[in-house]
Amino acid sequence: NAGVTQTPKFRILKIGQSMTLQCAQDMNHNYMYWYRQDPGMGLKLIYYSVGAGITDKGEVPNGYNVSRSTTEDFPLRLELAAPSQTSVYFCASSYSSGGGAGEQYFGPGTRLTVT
Amino acid sequence: GQNIDQPTEMTATEGAIVQINCTYQTSGFNGLFWYQQHAGEAPTFLSYNVLDGLEEKGRFSSFLSRSKGYSYLLLKELQMKDSASYLCAADSNYQLIWGAGTKLIIKP
Repeated sequence: NAGVTQTPKFRILKIGQSMTLQCAQDMNHNYMYWYRQDPGMGLKLIYYSVGAGITDKGEVPNGYNVSRSTTEDFPLRLELAAPSQTSVYFCASSYSSGGGAGEQYFGPGTRLTVT
Repeated sequence: GQNIDQPTEMTATEGAIVQINCTYQTSGFNGLFWYQQHAGEAPTFLSYNVLDGLEEKGRFSSFLSRSKGYSYLLLKELQMKDSASYLCAADSNYQLIWGAGTKLIIKP
């Protein structure tokens, strides 16, 4: 099992550009999450999904969009990049049978700089 | 509102014991996670407490008191490789509410 994979590992964007951060998991997890982590800070939830076709906003969704067409994939779209979106982005997945969110497995992260 | 607090930074000596505290206020609480995060890396799972009490796993133990909204992570026989940030997260309504993390510095 590859676990949770993310691409790219690093990216530099110019202000106003757009990009998609890819995330895939091969553990058949139903829940998937996108977080951002600013230097010295905790994780902030951007969007999450409880299954294919179902997504919901987290704490900091503005400037981002997601889709979940399959169980495996959960891409994050940045439209009109801004310097405030400079951060490390982590994708995570978990299995929940109804007793809580479940242990989250993280991808290696994407380090994004917007200049 | 929902809130999680933990100390920003702690320093300990190699071979010693350190306790990292975490207090939380959340709705729909299911349990409390502890994750370890080395600099530049992704968080990795350490422990999950659902019931009150102490859970021991090798050199690491985690405690939960649901009535007090309090948890701690206990690290024994500290090693230099334990230098990392330790994140507590409350499992709340199928999301994790994350603390800002405690940076643990180990000195020889």
